[in-house]
Amino acid sequence: SQQGEEDPQALSIQEGENATMNCSYKTSINNLQWYRQNSGRGLVHLILIRSNEREKHSGRLRVTLDTSKKSSSLLITASRAADTASYFCATDPIYGNNRLAFGKGNQVVVIP
Amino acid sequence: DAGVTQSPTHLIKTRGQHVTLRCSPISGHKSVSWYQQVLGQGPQFIFQYYEKEERGRGNFPDRFSARQFPNYSSELNVNALLLGDSALYLCASSFDRGLTYEQYFGPGTRLTVT
Repeated sequence: SQQGEEDPQALSIQEGENATMNCSYKTSINNLQWYRQNSGRGLVHLILIRSNEREKHSGRLRVTLDTSKKSSSLLITASRAADTASYFCATDPIYGNNRLAFGKGNQVVVIP
Repeated sequence: DAGVTQSPTHLIKTRGQHVTLRCSPISGHKSVSWYQQVLGQGPQFIFQYYEKEERGRGNFPDRFSARQFPNYSSELNVNALLLGDSALYLCASSFDRGLTYEQYFGPGTRLTVT
């Protein structure tokens, strides 16, 4: 089954630096979404980018989508200690029957 | 407004037992989806219910079942528990069944099978 795959798996950065994560997927999609998860608890929706969009911003977040390469990136600018979390990309496949397909996640640690 | 709520928060069961997990969606949301997240992995889709009917099922055995009630709350049932069923079970609600609507996740139920 199609899934997003994030790269890198783990990232450790200093507060104030930017964090970039990449995600690749295998099949055609309706949209791609990024989620944050703190300490193995519930997922928080960060941003949704549709297949006909190339870039989207939300606060300190910037997401890009390249459907020709089947990849997406999430950039967090001016990171804060509170950004320490796991980040997941999830795709809504065209023939996926309304089920999100998640990647394995990126563990991001922001050092104060 | 209350977010998605799940109960219980934690649960410890023995192999072979049965478990029922509960989810209350955000008021006005008609769609509830269930996901299983094994430690170190991303969530895996189990079920989607919309307007009290099953609208999608993931690659899980028949030991897993669910239902949605008239008030749109939902239960996930797992029979004959295996050690491998130990995971965080997440419930997500949305206004409609399509994924162009934002999914709101609950805090999850941590199930440990011993």
